[in-house]
Amino acid sequence: EPEVTQTPSHQVTQMGQEVILRCVPISNHLYFYWYRQILGQKVEFLVSFYNNEISEKSEIFDDQFSVERPDGSNFTLKIRSTKLEDSAMYFCASKRTGPNTGELFFGEGSRLTVL
Amino acid sequence: GDSVTQMEGPVTLSEEAFLTINCTYTATGYPSLFWYVQYPGEGLQLLLKATKADDKGSNKGFEATYRKETTSFHLEKGSVQVSDSAVYFCALFGSSNTGKLIFGQGTTLQVKP
Repeated sequence: EPEVTQTPSHQVTQMGQEVILRCVPISNHLYFYWYRQILGQKVEFLVSFYNNEISEKSEIFDDQFSVERPDGSNFTLKIRSTKLEDSAMYFCASKRTGPNTGELFFGEGSRLTVL
Repeated sequence: GDSVTQMEGPVTLSEEAFLTINCTYTATGYPSLFWYVQYPGEGLQLLLKATKADDKGSNKGFEATYRKETTSFHLEKGSVQVSDSAVYFCALFGSSNTGKLIFGQGTTLQVKP
């Protein structure tokens, strides 16, 4: 069964460092998303991406964040200068149909720990 | 704006007990509604969904009915198992038309043998 894959599963970084989280969405999907979940809290939307551009972003997704689909298969989230409060589980998701139909398929997540 | 509210957890039940996790929503129009489950140390998995009023979603013994009149989508299971222990999230598609999911805060279920 096709699945969304994310790497790394866990990354530890120093405050101020750049981090890139990688995702490979399901191959025929067209809509891509990043969410985050701070430990024990709700799952929060960060950004949606369609047709090679951001379609929506939340107030969390400030200038320190960026997304890219560099090669037609990967979908990356970059945090330019990490802060302590960026420590969270980051989930990538994709869907084939859209925008408000079908279902989102989530990856297993990348846990980011900022020291 | 769009929002989802779930009952506070944790919910602790004995095996074979009846489960209800309440979920109510605020939204423009009639969005698709979802329940996702997160087992310990894992990602989010879709449990069930309903796309229009009075639809009943069901999977693995879990059910939820889309109630337009009460703006609710309560999750139920007749007889829970230890393996159902997880965090359950109610969610809906936001009205921004980008396919964004809006999640409730999650309800932790612990089932004791």
